[in-house]
Amino acid sequence: QQKVQQSPESLIVPEGGMASLNCTSSDRNVDYFWWYRQHSGKSPKMLMSIFSNGEKEEGRFTVHLNKASLHTSLHIRDSQPSDSALYLCAASDSNNRIFFGDGTQLVVKP
Amino acid sequence: EAAVTQSPRNKVAVTGGKVTLSCNQTNNHNNMYWYRQDTGHGLRLIHYSYGAGSTEKGDIPDGYKASRPSQENFSLILELATPSQTSVYFCASGDAQGEVFFGKGTRLTVV
Repeated sequence: QQKVQQSPESLIVPEGGMASLNCTSSDRNVDYFWWYRQHSGKSPKMLMSIFSNGEKEEGRFTVHLNKASLHTSLHIRDSQPSDSALYLCAASDSNNRIFFGDGTQLVVKP
Repeated sequence: EAAVTQSPRNKVAVTGGKVTLSCNQTNNHNNMYWYRQDTGHGLRLIHYSYGAGSTEKGDIPDGYKASRPSQENFSLILELATPSQTSVYFCASGDAQGEVFFGKGTRLTVV
């Protein structure tokens, strides 16, 4: 069973809208979470990390983490067409193994 | 910026043949990883390493071997390639905080 589950699988939002992506881990050994973004034909690049409960904001991007439920979410406000990409959630365990979910394919329509 | 270089970038192999994918990092990171990504999907962990001489099995190690002869180099070996191993393979190195830096990927087609 996959250790990291993401939803939705795909998401279409209008330009200027809000995109909300979810991620949950089924492994209680998971410590930290990351969000990566992968544009078509490219390699993934780290977007944001969150290690403790609460919220973290960087520009138009906000991540939330609830460690008790092992749930994290990524919110993108004022979405732009350049935000269209595959968003991957990653979680690490105490052995520094990094597991990825299947991703959310985001399309921002002009 | 962290640098991870994979070679080759594209490879066509025959079923039953041996394939070696190479990865070099100049970040001096202890941790290195091999993932595969099938079209439209996420990354699945094949093997990883904590340093020179160490290799560990990830989630899908069957049909793959790994080798870490030095801090900089981490290879993925397919002894008997099968069409089901057609995929894009990403090598990555990880820093002490756990951030992972990826190479550009190798597109492998097994015919």
